[in-house]
Amino acid sequence: EDKVVQSPLSLVVHEGDTVTLNCSYEVTNFRSLLWYKQEKKAPTFLFMLTSSGIEKKSGRLSSILDKKELFSILNITATQTGDSAIYLCAVEASSGTYKYIFGTGTRLKVLA
Amino acid sequence: DAGVIQSPRHEVTEMGQEVTLRCKPISGHNSLFWYRQTMMRGLELLIYFNNNVPIDDSGMPEDRFSAKMPNASFSTLKIQPSEPRDSAVYFCASSLVPTRGYTFGSGTRLTVV
Repeated sequence: EDKVVQSPLSLVVHEGDTVTLNCSYEVTNFRSLLWYKQEKKAPTFLFMLTSSGIEKKSGRLSSILDKKELFSILNITATQTGDSAIYLCAVEASSGTYKYIFGTGTRLKVLA
Repeated sequence: DAGVIQSPRHEVTEMGQEVTLRCKPISGHNSLFWYRQTMMRGLELLIYFNNNVPIDDSGMPEDRFSAKMPNASFSTLKIQPSEPRDSAVYFCASSLVPTRGYTFGSGTRLTVV
């Protein structure tokens, strides 16, 4: 059965800390992995990863994929209170269908 | 671009009643997805459409759930009869495959009492 597992489930840090969120997966015919940030409403898109070892970066956020070890990490440096959210990882389960399986998310809280 | 539009934002209904959730995808997107989110199970895919055709409805929990997409700009998810365990946030998302993943709507928070 295809599955996506995120860790830790929750995390509390102070402003300025660096955090690393993990996403491991077991799916058939991996095609892509997505990271989303969910605050109070809808998840918003962060990154799409398809190739191993190529870092995607946006400001203080960065992400990388390891297709051999079947995981991805999302790094946030110099965290701010506005980074408090649930971070979701999603993996395309079967090639070409664009149907994604989501992990249950990591709930990050950044304290001032 | 108004994004993915869902209605209603909140719905409170009594057990046994019919509930209809609505979604307008982003214009030009050719795939539409219905997800349900709960604390226990996270985001679960219920059904998705490509070019208005249902491709995979294996996530629809029971026959009480049905979804339609009569045209490229409108979809409905219906629950009949509703039960308390259907209480969740229901998200609609659309995408222009094969690009950058989904764009989600703001969700409908359903409470069945």
